[in-house]
Amino acid sequence: GESVGLHLPTLSVQEGDNSIINCAYSNSASDYFIWYKQESGKGPQFIIDIRSNMDKRQGQRVTVLLNKTVKHLSLQIAATQPGDSAVYFCAENFATGGGNKLTFGTGTQLKVEL
Amino acid sequence: DAGVTQSPTHLIKTRGQQVTLRCSPKSGHDTVSWYQQALGQGPQFIFQYYEEEERQRGNFPDRFSGHQFPNYSSELNVNALLLGDSALYLCASSLVGGNSPLHFGNGTRLTVT
Repeated sequence: GESVGLHLPTLSVQEGDNSIINCAYSNSASDYFIWYKQESGKGPQFIIDIRSNMDKRQGQRVTVLLNKTVKHLSLQIAATQPGDSAVYFCAENFATGGGNKLTFGTGTQLKVEL
Repeated sequence: DAGVTQSPTHLIKTRGQQVTLRCSPKSGHDTVSWYQQALGQGPQFIFQYYEEEERQRGNFPDRFSGHQFPNYSSELNVNALLLGDSALYLCASSLVGGNSPLHFGNGTRLTVT
């Protein structure tokens, strides 16, 4: 079936360290993947996306890696800061009929320790 | 440049009542999607609107309906509210076509008592 899952519900890191958040997806037909950050009381905020014809994409302090062979997605955050503390969701898209229908996982809580 | 705006921010309703939530998309966006997010869970897709028509629908009953207006704004209606409908309702906008990132509003927190 369609599902997106995360390996760890909570991740604690020291300020300045790198963070890696992992995600598994089940639908090999998914062609677009997005990482979102959600802070308490707010809606999901777009971080970075990647299309299925790519293996890696970099943004400012963030990198997304896609391994289609094992249906795995990861988000790397460099030099993690206190402001990075939030819940992170990966989402996969089934672009049927030209629309976006994102399937989200349950999320990983990232806690940055000073 | 205004992002996605939703109203109201909080709402309390009684079982059996009806509710209407509103959304204005990000400037330049023409597609609106609605998601339901239960506490501690990821958002669940309800439906998507483009050109004033429902384009895709998730696994939600007919009690959930929507509308899109010519100015691209949208409403989500839920009839015969159940306790289980208590959740954060998120609106997201994007450009038509697949593989366009969705931009979310901060949601409407609905509590059904």
